[in-house]
Amino acid sequence: QQPVQSPQAVILREGEDAVINCSSSKALYSVHWYRQKHGEAPVFLMILLKGGEQKGHDKISASFNEKKQQSSLYLTASQLSYSGTYFCGTDKLGANNLFFGTGTRLTVIP
Amino acid sequence: DTEVTQTPKHLVMGMTNKKSLKCEQHMGHRAMYWYKQKAKKPPELMFVYSYEKLSINESVPSRFSPECPNSSLLNLHLHALQPEDSALYLCASSHPINGQPQHFGDGTRLSIL
Repeated sequence: QQPVQSPQAVILREGEDAVINCSSSKALYSVHWYRQKHGEAPVFLMILLKGGEQKGHDKISASFNEKKQQSSLYLTASQLSYSGTYFCGTDKLGANNLFFGTGTRLTVIP
Repeated sequence: DTEVTQTPKHLVMGMTNKKSLKCEQHMGHRAMYWYKQKAKKPPELMFVYSYEKLSINESVPSRFSPECPNSSLLNLHLHALQPEDSALYLCASSHPINGQPQHFGDGTRLSIL
């Protein structure tokens, strides 16, 4: 049931863009995105509920293709503070259980 | 500072000990969760409480026993744990419907000797 994320790890220079993908073998109701810095709690970024929906938060946005059971997180003009491990999380309609993806470790360097 | 408070932050215990982890939130959330996270791995769902009733148990061994005494508190009672149970234990809360963000505590880092 665990969604698969790609890439596993990515290194960026400040100002560069990145895309993180999340793919599930199961039908999805919603996709959550979280960022976790080392030694800290996961922090909620955004939720996408409808097929094809795109949401944005500052310079971080995401899309959700319900048919393909995939979501992508877009980080533009990356900042040092973007460093951390990004997890997608998926759930099914009627079930309040969130399954986290395999994670993507993002490192932004000066 | 997170709005979900977990205590203790660190816990070292022997395999025969009994201890409890505590989680508290005052956001009015009626769903609370326990996750286990090993190093460099994603959080794994253990239990879900919805309106103070256990709604999901992800096949967790009986040496882990959850309890939700009221809508703000969630406990995880530990007994006869194994070394492989050493991990970060995260608590989270949310509104009890699909598609709501979960708010996480900073976790309890548990080491089993």
